[in-house]
Amino acid sequence: AQKITQTQPGMFVQEKEAVTLDCTYDTSDPSYGLFWYKQPSSGEMIFLIYQGSYDQQNATEGRYSLNFQKARKSANLVISASQLGDSAMYFCAMREGQAGTALIFGKGTTLSVSS
Amino acid sequence: KAGVTQTPRYLIKTRGQQVTLSCSPISGHRSVSWYQQTPGQGLQFLFEYFSETQRNKGNFPGRFSGRQFSNSRSEMNVSTLELGDSALYLCASSLAMSGGLAKNIQYFGAGTRLSVL
Repeated sequence: AQKITQTQPGMFVQEKEAVTLDCTYDTSDPSYGLFWYKQPSSGEMIFLIYQGSYDQQNATEGRYSLNFQKARKSANLVISASQLGDSAMYFCAMREGQAGTALIFGKGTTLSVSS
Repeated sequence: KAGVTQTPRYLIKTRGQQVTLSCSPISGHRSVSWYQQTPGQGLQFLFEYFSETQRNKGNFPGRFSGRQFSNSRSEMNVSTLELGDSALYLCASSLAMSGGLAKNIQYFGAGTRLSVL
C-alpha cells in the first residue's frame, strides 16, 4: 500500500493566486514527520516545510503553509500568492519515528504557474 | 553556509562498469542519506550513514554500496552497472540520526545524473 499519496499529477495556477497541493499518508506509527520538498528542473530537492505528528498548530514558512488534518491523514501544502518561480515538481514525504531515518516520498505533483 | 555538494553532476557509463559518486554534507551535519530517483519508481531510499557506519538500508541489491569518512563526506558505489541504474542519485544530509524528527530535516544536493548505455 502506498504510504504517501499525491493524487494530482499536474496543477495549473496563475500568478498571485493561491494553490493547494494534496497529500495523504498512511502510518500506524504515532510519531512521524511530514515534509514538503520542491524540485525545479535543475534536480535539486529544496526543503520547504515540516510538520510533526504532535504539533498542535499548522506549520507555516513564508508563503508556504501546511494544512495538517491528522484524523484524515492529510498534509496539504498551500502556496499563497504564486510566483513564476514556483513552477516545479513538489513532493510530499514522511519519516516514521520508529522506522529509522528514511524519507518515504509520494510520486509528486507538477505545478505550473503562468503570468 | 555551503549546501550539500555532489560530484560529478553528470556521468555516462556503459553496462558492466562501476561508478563512484561523492557527497559532501553541510558543515556540521553528521548523517548522510542516498536516494535514487527514476521516472518509473520515483524516489527510493538507498542507505544512510552516520559516524562512518551504515545505520539504515533500503531494498537495493548488493551492487549498491557506500561509505562515510571521518569528515562525514560520503561516497556511493554501484558495481556492474545495468541499464536500469540510469537515474538521478540524490544525497541528503542532516544533523543527526537521533533526537526529534524536526532536528533531522534532510537537506539535499543537486544530484548526480547517471546514464548507463
